[in-house]
Amino acid sequence: DAKTTQPNSMESNEEEPVHLPCNHSTISGTDYIHWYRQLPSQGPEYVIHGLTSNVNNRMASLAIAEDRKSSTLILHRATLRDAAVYYCIGATNKLIFGTGTLLAVQP
Amino acid sequence: GAVVSQHPSRVICKSGTSVKIECRSLDFQATTMFWYRQFPKQSLMLMATSNEGSKATYEQGVEKDKFLINHASLTLSTLTVTSAHPEDSSFYICSAPGGYGYTFGSGTRLTVV
Repeated sequence: DAKTTQPNSMESNEEEPVHLPCNHSTISGTDYIHWYRQLPSQGPEYVIHGLTSNVNNRMASLAIAEDRKSSTLILHRATLRDAAVYYCIGATNKLIFGTGTLLAVQP
Repeated sequence: GAVVSQHPSRVICKSGTSVKIECRSLDFQATTMFWYRQFPKQSLMLMATSNEGSKATYEQGVEKDKFLINHASLTLSTLTVTSAHPEDSSFYICSAPGGYGYTFGSGTRLTVV
């Protein structure tokens, strides 16, 4: 499983886009890049995952660098409900969580 | 979508007693489930991988005799914290591969007094 590096915290304004970066320079060729988020006292929630190509779903977009050593989670219009800890994980078959990024969203 | 139900959501027990936490996959089968613990203001730490019909695989440093895992069916895994002590107080979370990625339970807050 790849070691990932994320900023400890980020701040955004409501209805603005948010770009959450993640470095995973040791990722292997078979590791998927996963993003989960967690609200206080809840289990993590799936956000998005990808292998090589950029991915879009109703929650977010995932932009993966060509060399796969970094990726960016994009929330297109942040809402107050997006305030959470966001975890980026490089993994094949089990998720090892790093420290994540605490995203604060200001009204 | 895939749902993982975890029960109980919170439990308080006396020191020295055992507590069982259940994790069920409601609309899918899970041959593998994962158990995590999370202390306040910390990240999730993987404790063990539960395998249906066989022994669990524990992460380094996790006492397998203290944290007993049973995965007797394709939809149920249980974690029993034996002889619990105050330092075992934590948030325990299970997950299973299902849906778009891994689906997590809502967690169990264990307080040992």
